[in-house]
Amino acid sequence: DGGITQSPKYLFRKEGQNVTLSCEQNLNHDAMYWYRQDPGQGLRLIYYSQIVNDFQKGDIAEGYSVSREKKESFPLTVTSAQKNPTAFYLCASSIVVGGLYEQYFGPGTRLTVT
Amino acid sequence: EDKVVQSPLSLVVHEGDTVTLNCSYEVTNFRSLLWYKQEKKAPTFLFMLTSSGIEKKSGRLSSILDKKELFSILNITATQTGDSAIYLCAGGGSQGNLIFGKGTKLSVKP
Repeated sequence: DGGITQSPKYLFRKEGQNVTLSCEQNLNHDAMYWYRQDPGQGLRLIYYSQIVNDFQKGDIAEGYSVSREKKESFPLTVTSAQKNPTAFYLCASSIVVGGLYEQYFGPGTRLTVT
Repeated sequence: EDKVVQSPLSLVVHEGDTVTLNCSYEVTNFRSLLWYKQEKKAPTFLFMLTSSGIEKKSGRLSSILDKKELFSILNITATQTGDSAIYLCAGGGSQGNLIFGKGTKLSVKP
């Protein structure tokens, strides 16, 4: 059963705590991405990784960290430095066909920080 | 700065109507334009467009890209209540990351 899994679906944390969101894919995709979605804002790129042990900052990387130790896994840590962490977080991976990247999304994690 | 602008931001129609959603883009080293449908959870892939003037169709949905004028449209004919969703447009550059618009929220009334 192939796909992208994110866990947990809902996550609640107290302000000041770091929290790690999981993203796993068994599609053998090289590239993986993390987005944040706020109401009325569309998707904004946090980090992306095109190969293992390498990743780049997206548009809103401050207060977040990632690792890419395995091709299948791209966990995102939301640190206490992130000013407004409450949001819907989406992980994606992409297949490259003829130099074109076609991204597919996981089911998302809704994080609430109080 | 790269950007993707969608219009309208929201739209209310009745079942059976035809709708056109717009997407304009400015993306460095542009390679592709993607459309997604988002209901209550994750976006699902609809189309990827790379060439001007070639329409892509899937059932009642179709889309076309104009690389000279830097825009794309998504058409939905004979709308149904199940078409109610947020439709996202994204521009892809050569590095693989996508720039998303804010989306168009479509509501189809019975």
